[in-house]
Amino acid sequence: DQQVKQNSPSLSVQEGRISILNCDYTNSMFDYFLWYKKYPAEGPTFLISISSIKDKNEDGRFTVFLNKSAKHLSLHIVPSQPGDSAVYFCAASTSYNTDKLIFGTGTRLQVFP
Amino acid sequence: EAGVAQSPRYKIIEKRQSVAFWCNPISGHATLYWYQQILGQGPKLLIQFQNNGVVDDSQLPKDRFSAERLKGVDSTLKIQPAKLEDSAVYLCASSPGLAPSGDTQYFGPGTRLTVL
Repeated sequence: DQQVKQNSPSLSVQEGRISILNCDYTNSMFDYFLWYKKYPAEGPTFLISISSIKDKNEDGRFTVFLNKSAKHLSLHIVPSQPGDSAVYFCAASTSYNTDKLIFGTGTRLQVFP
Repeated sequence: EAGVAQSPRYKIIEKRQSVAFWCNPISGHATLYWYQQILGQGPKLLIQFQNNGVVDDSQLPKDRFSAERLKGVDSTLKIQPAKLEDSAVYLCASSPGLAPSGDTQYFGPGTRLTVL
């Protein structure tokens, strides 16, 4: 039972344009969400998070949007850069156990010149 | 600051053999995690230690997997005997403090295991 889903396995975006990565979840108990970025042969690194009391969190070029009623979150990268090419995982947890992460399957983003 | 170290980086074994992975967390990090990432899937938590005690091993297949964190620093994860479905990347992560959160987990590069 996949509780966190990333339905797009890959995404290709031109440099300078917006990248939008999507994530859906099924468990209504989840109230803390994170995005991780993973380069080949490296471990995932934390990128940005959002708790359910907010619907938007911004950090530089990265913004995460949360739609609780739709159980959907998205990561926007503006403007996209070639160095953003990586696999992006969304993860979900609960506020009383924020380190117990349920990961999605990942979306491979390629930013081309 | 040195990151999480893991070895070996790659391992190929035949089914029914045994294998062990080693993890050295970031210095001073109290919490250590082992994840299994099967190709095409996200990482799945296998076991979590706090210092040298097990906090959560609910998803560890205990008939074949074992892990220890003696002295609360380094950790080893063992599979005995391995099955074909154990082919995956095994990720170690560590987190400072005794109240870890998802945004303070630092991952190592992983060990890629292939079981033939």
